[in-house]
Amino acid sequence: EAQVTQNPRYLITVTGKKLTVTCSQNMNHEYMSWYRQDPGLGLRQIYYSMNVEVTDKGDVPEGYKVSRKEKRNFPLILESPSPNQTSLYFCASSLFANTEAFFGQGTRLTVV
Amino acid sequence: QQPVQSPQAVILREGEDAVINCSSSKALYSVHWYRQKHGEAPVFLMILLKGGEQKGHEKISASFNEKKQQSSLYLTASQLSYSGTYFCGTEVETGGFKTIFGAGTRLFVKA
Repeated sequence: EAQVTQNPRYLITVTGKKLTVTCSQNMNHEYMSWYRQDPGLGLRQIYYSMNVEVTDKGDVPEGYKVSRKEKRNFPLILESPSPNQTSLYFCASSLFANTEAFFGQGTRLTVV
Repeated sequence: QQPVQSPQAVILREGEDAVINCSSSKALYSVHWYRQKHGEAPVFLMILLKGGEQKGHEKISASFNEKKQQSSLYLTASQLSYSGTYFCGTEVETGGFKTIFGAGTRLFVKA
């Protein structure tokens, strides 16, 4: 089954403790991206990747890192999480930019 | 830079039509439309590329007016299953491949 898988689905952590949210797709898509969703603000793009080893900043990249060492995986790294990064995070992939995007089920992160 | 969606919310009776607008202050290369139901991930509806084309998807269609930098999503003969939040995502011509979403339009269809 074609899908985008995020883990974990829920995470509660403390300020400053490094964490990684994984994202994996099985559709051989080239384009992958991360979004955060906050009430009233819609989806805001954090980072995107056009292909392996090619990443670029989205609209709200501060406080986040990503890597794309393999085509299928695009982890999101928070080196020192802060409470303002409490949010619902979505990973998405598409064959190329400007084609249909498939979203993962989301990761609800709480930083206390 | 975030596109402006209107209306913010709309309530329909089954069978009624609705139009959701998405307007940008910058020249657009593409517009994407998604629907998200409560507690779920967004689901792709359609994408329109620069060229002013109109697309259809069952009873949901969309237009893209690049001169006006806006897109509209048309829902005709609405069904209960149309309820959810609709988002437009835009890529500006000079913005690389970055996607910027509007704040969303909440649509509720009642029987």
